[in-house]
Amino acid sequence: SQTIHQWPATLVQPVGSPLSLECTVEGTSNPNLYWYRQAAGRGLQLLFYSVGIGQISSEVPQNLSASRPQDRQFILSSKKLLLSDSGFYLCAWSAGSGNTIYFGEGSWLTVV
Amino acid sequence: DQQVKQNSPSLSVQEGRISILNCDYTNSMFDYFLWYKKYPAEGPTFLISISSIKDKNEDGRFTVFLNKSAKHLSLHIVPSQPGDSAVYFCAAIQGAQKLVFGQGTRLTINP
Repeated sequence: SQTIHQWPATLVQPVGSPLSLECTVEGTSNPNLYWYRQAAGRGLQLLFYSVGIGQISSEVPQNLSASRPQDRQFILSSKKLLLSDSGFYLCAWSAGSGNTIYFGEGSWLTVV
Repeated sequence: DQQVKQNSPSLSVQEGRISILNCDYTNSMFDYFLWYKKYPAEGPTFLISISSIKDKNEDGRFTVFLNKSAKHLSLHIVPSQPGDSAVYFCAAIQGAQKLVFGQGTRLTINP
């Protein structure tokens, strides 16, 4: 069966520090991969999605970036965090031909 | 531009009664709709979906209804149970695997 894991689960970082959130999917090949953010009191916002290695599409301009160094690995990064980057970040995957997106456990980021 | 809207941020229902969660959309090109359930500090879990060629899909206590002419879908939970208390997101998809989510509705089931 397919599984998705992301880490770390919680992170407290000072303003201006770098960020790296990692996500891996097991049990499938060539998945579509996504990074979402849920800010307090708001819905789920798509940040990045990838249909293949090295192929990243950004939905919202910001100081975050994403990379896909391997087929089943998706990384969310920032060189310098802002206070507004605080939130709950979710990695997700879907099969290439599937309609359903499955989410990881989420990562709480607090920028102080 | 909010293409998928959940206009009720919260809903309280008595245990055993029916919970009805509503969702409206503006893009007539959406061809698949999904409902997700989310507990605090966890990722959303998939609940039920419906294709645009159908008007109803049922799975146990959960039924999703789609009214294409009104661009409206709803999730019915009957009977409601305490474990159903969570935030519910509706989502729509068009072709390229990108889900568009509503803002979510917090459902509270009261004993």
